[in-house]
Amino acid sequence: KNQVEQSPQSLIILEGKNCTLQCNYTVSPFSNLRWYKQDTGRGPVSLTIMTFSENTKSNGRYTATLDADTKQSSLHITASQLSDSASYICVVGDRGSTLGRLYFGRGTQLTVWP
Amino acid sequence: DGGITQSPKYLFRKEGQNVTLSCEQNLNHDAMYWYRQDPGQGLRLIYYSQIVNDFQKGDIAEGYSVSREKKESFPLTVTSAQKNPTAFYLCASSIRQQRLNNQPQHFGDGTRLSIL
Repeated sequence: KNQVEQSPQSLIILEGKNCTLQCNYTVSPFSNLRWYKQDTGRGPVSLTIMTFSENTKSNGRYTATLDADTKQSSLHITASQLSDSASYICVVGDRGSTLGRLYFGRGTQLTVWP
Repeated sequence: DGGITQSPKYLFRKEGQNVTLSCEQNLNHDAMYWYRQDPGQGLRLIYYSQIVNDFQKGDIAEGYSVSREKKESFPLTVTSAQKNPTAFYLCASSIRQQRLNNQPQHFGDGTRLSIL
């Protein structure tokens, strides 16, 4: 069964600190892995997209890594800011269909305190 | 600015009533999608459309209907057959065959539907 599991479910950190969010998946055949940021009451916004051949991608203070062998990904946030408070969603795409089916994790709720 | 507009932001449904959620995009994307988001759960696909006048059921299509008469518009109707419609509904769009190009889906800011 194709699944995407994220941990931790929630996380609280102090402003300026770093943190790492985890994503494990069983989606096969694998096409790509995406990280989205979703502010409360808003739609998700794309942070990074990685294909099988990529093992790291950065977007400002966000750095995503991918280990396709162990089917794990992480999102590292550097020097956190209050505006980083949001849900971070890991999404894995398969290449077993013409659409390119996406499987969504439940998200990690990050809270940054001043 | 290009983007996806969903309206209304909040919607209330009475028992036995059908309601329609609007989704409009000006990104010139061929593919459009409707997702449902419930607290503590991942997004679930309701319907998707890869081209005008064509759409396919997703994982939880029962109690919902869609139309795709124009490229930029993909309205979702929540019918009275959907017994648990309270959720956050998200519309998204992307270029066609996104798996080949690994392009992101662009999301609207959602409609929150509640039961009166």
